[in-house]
Amino acid sequence: GAGVSQSPRYKVAKRGQDVALRCDPISGHVSLFWYQQALGQGPEFLTYFQNEAQLDKSGLPSDRFFAERPEGSVSTLKIQRTQQEDSAVYLCASGTSGRPDTQYFGPGTRLTVL
Amino acid sequence: AQSVTQLGSHVSVSEGALVLLRCNYSSSVPPYLFWYVQYPNQGLQLLLKYTSAATLVKGINGFEAEFKKSETSFHLTKPSAHMSDAAEYFCAVTGNNDMRFGAGTRLTVKP
Repeated sequence: GAGVSQSPRYKVAKRGQDVALRCDPISGHVSLFWYQQALGQGPEFLTYFQNEAQLDKSGLPSDRFFAERPEGSVSTLKIQRTQQEDSAVYLCASGTSGRPDTQYFGPGTRLTVL
Repeated sequence: AQSVTQLGSHVSVSEGALVLLRCNYSSSVPPYLFWYVQYPNQGLQLLLKYTSAATLVKGINGFEAEFKKSETSFHLTKPSAHMSDAAEYFCAVTGNNDMRFGAGTRLTVKP
């Protein structure tokens, strides 16, 4: 069955480059979450969408981080002018309702900023 | 604000031994609590969740967890460890719009 997919799985960027990370949620899922997982740490919340509406972006660490979900399905997390501290695994999760307790996680994108 | 604390960043057990991974929570409202497992280079897989029904929750792969309000705990157990249980385990609690995760416990299973 089709789960949450993310692409690319691995991304290497030079400091200062812009990157775009894609998330394809499970078809029909209304909620979508982005998390950042630093090495050896648990995931940290970044942002939350319900359909195309971004209802919570309180976890985005700076204005270099931007997320969108224009048609209420695929989402893109964009990081501008990447810094070394942005190196992490970025996890996407989708859910059947607006509640975070119904999340299904994708495999993540490992971003390495050199 | 809701949060969880996992006690012990590394746990090592012998194959066939009891697995006990500890998690304590802090929540101003009745919490929803979760345990996830993460294998190398993979996403998070839900093991089990507590949503205010039965306090003893059974999950996949023989794992279970007991919600103890008096101790603010939600420890994960498995009677007999298997080599395939070696992974990173995360306890989590729901916040307003998100999931709040602990720092994780790496489980090693020795033959």
